[in-house]
Formats: sequence, C-alpha cells, structure tokens
Amino acid sequence: AQSVTQLGSHVSVSEGALVLLRCNYSSSVPPYLFWYVQYPNQGLQLLLKYTSAATLVKGINGFEAEFKKSETSFHLTKPSAHMSDAAEYFCAVSSTGYSTLTFGKGTMLLVSP
Amino acid sequence: NAGVTQTPKFRVLKTGQSMTLLCAQDMNHEYMYWYRQDPGMGLRLIHYSVGEGTTAKGEVPDGYNVSRLKKQNFLLGLESAAPSQTSVYFCASSYSRDSSQETQYFGPGTRLLVL
Repeated sequence: AQSVTQLGSHVSVSEGALVLLRCNYSSSVPPYLFWYVQYPNQGLQLLLKYTSAATLVKGINGFEAEFKKSETSFHLTKPSAHMSDAAEYFCAVSSTGYSTLTFGKGTMLLVSP
Repeated sequence: NAGVTQTPKFRVLKTGQSMTLLCAQDMNHEYMYWYRQDPGMGLRLIHYSVGEGTTAKGEVPDGYNVSRLKKQNFLLGLESAAPSQTSVYFCASSYSRDSSQETQYFGPGTRLLVL
C-alpha cells in the first residue's frame, strides 16, 4: 500500500519569501514521487518527479524537491515566491513500474504582495 | 495537438439521471484514467484502462462504469446520479505503465453538480 500526507491544507507566503510545501510518503517498495500543480479552473500539470536518480530534483518555474529516504519526505521548495505561484499543489506516489498514482489531499499556496 | 480534452465542461443533473463524460486524447497513449476531485480529498482514481477494450477499477469505482472502445477515447458513465457524485472529474492519459518514464497528462476537468 502507498500513501502520501501533505501537511497543511493552506500555506500563505509573501511575494519574495521562501516557499516550503511538505509531503511525507508511505510505501512498501521504493517509490516514485511527483509534485503536480493545479491553477484555478485548470487540470493538473507535472512540476517535477523523483524516479530514483538524483535525490534533489529540479522542476519547472524554479521549484525543486529533495527525496529523503530516512525522513520519508519529498518537500517542495522555491527560494522566492511569485504571485503567479498561487495555486494548489499535489504530492503523489507511485510504485516501481506501476502506472496508477496515489495523490495527497493538496496544499493551496497563497501569495500576498 | 490538443492533448487531453473532456466533454462537457460543466453539467447539472437531477438525482437519478444518467450521463456520460467523454475523454479524448490525441497522443496515442495506451493508458487512460478517470479521477474525481473533492475539496480536501485530493484526486481519487475511479477507473483506468491499460489499452483499448480493457478497463480496471480504481479506488472509488462504485456508481460508475467505463468503456474504452477506441484507443483515443475513454468514457465515464453515471447510470443513476446521486448528490454524492457532485465533483470535478479529471481524465488523464499516459504512454506506458512505467511511471518512472512517463508522465500522466491531465484534461481540464468536468464539473458535475447533482441536485
């Protein structure tokens, strides 16, 4: 069985501040981990994914995430928030070679001027 | 290249009515998925398909049926809609089974309100 837990349904930051969105996973086998972003009234698009290569993964729009096996975490960060980053972010897990994803409940990122 | 499209974008149903949601992809993907998104619940997998003519149950399949008669289309049916099926439905597709290699591409969603 696999699952992800996203801490905080809402995170508020000021423009220019560090963004940190937390994700912890549970998986009985080595996981593949993903971060997706959903802008208002749109579908999900992939930000980045970890597939057992480098533990620090860089994605689009300046986001990155670090896989930490000892902490079973895959937190998403961005050094400086932009207003355009306001969206809902989903962490997801998949098992090796298995195509279905299990999503977390999502974290809404609010960016204030 | 339209990617993944969904029809309709929005629909209101009365309890007990039936409807079909259509998902189409033009990327020649083998795998297709239907998810529902509810506030505070994230996305939950309803059904998926690993190829034309095949379907499988996901996490929350009850009350839904699906068909994959053509590779590019994946239909989600509600035979007798219930208010609990009020949700936003997303379709996705991917080329292969291996999630380490392939990304799931999502459609824009269908908002369904069941009164």
